[in-house]
Amino acid sequence: GAVVSQHPSWVICKSGTSVKIECRSLDFQATTMFWYRQFPKQSLMLMATSNEGSKATYEQGVEKDKFLINHASLTLSTLTVTSAHPEDSSFYICSAIEGTDTQYFGPGTRLTVL
Amino acid sequence: GQQLNQSPQSMFIQEGEDVSMNCTSSSIFNTWLWYKQDPGEGPVLLIALYKAGELTSNGRLTAQFGITRKDSFLNISASIPSDVGIYFCAGGIGGSQGNLIFGKGTKLSVKP
Repeated sequence: GAVVSQHPSWVICKSGTSVKIECRSLDFQATTMFWYRQFPKQSLMLMATSNEGSKATYEQGVEKDKFLINHASLTLSTLTVTSAHPEDSSFYICSAIEGTDTQYFGPGTRLTVL
Repeated sequence: GQQLNQSPQSMFIQEGEDVSMNCTSSSIFNTWLWYKQDPGEGPVLLIALYKAGELTSNGRLTAQFGITRKDSFLNISASIPSDVGIYFCAGGIGGSQGNLIFGKGTKLSVKP
């Protein structure tokens, strides 16, 4: 199947700093990518839909000014957590839709905010 | 909003046993997908179902898209130790796999 990568795989940062997470589709072009967060022992919660060349669509309750999404190319979407706080600590997972409408997930990024 | 009820929440398996889990919803979905997630990793797609009544197999895994489009089940036959992990069902709204709604997961562990 198609491969989606994320970088970094884990990051620890101080409260108040910003963190950028990259999501890449390695062997296919993805006009649509998704960003999820997952708390321990819980399911995936969709945060936003990232569309190449246009603004992201955020789910209800997700602050667009805090979670900045940029989908500048058909193979890269970035999620920037601005002014991170401890409650933002979570597992962030991206996914990308391959041409056949199959959604493939990245390996996730563990964010810990001290 | 739309919700998926996935059961059981957890189960213990002994090697060789068959395993069954299911997801139900009060809402209709156009696609049903089953994923497996290992600790610290992203979900891996196991089976995708696109049509009501569809029964699809992937090795020892079999999944069905319910006729009512409100449910799906996943069966694992002759389980092996590497089957442990968390299995998630996901319902797709709209015409594609975008906007997936995930179940809360079924955790498979090895029977002590």
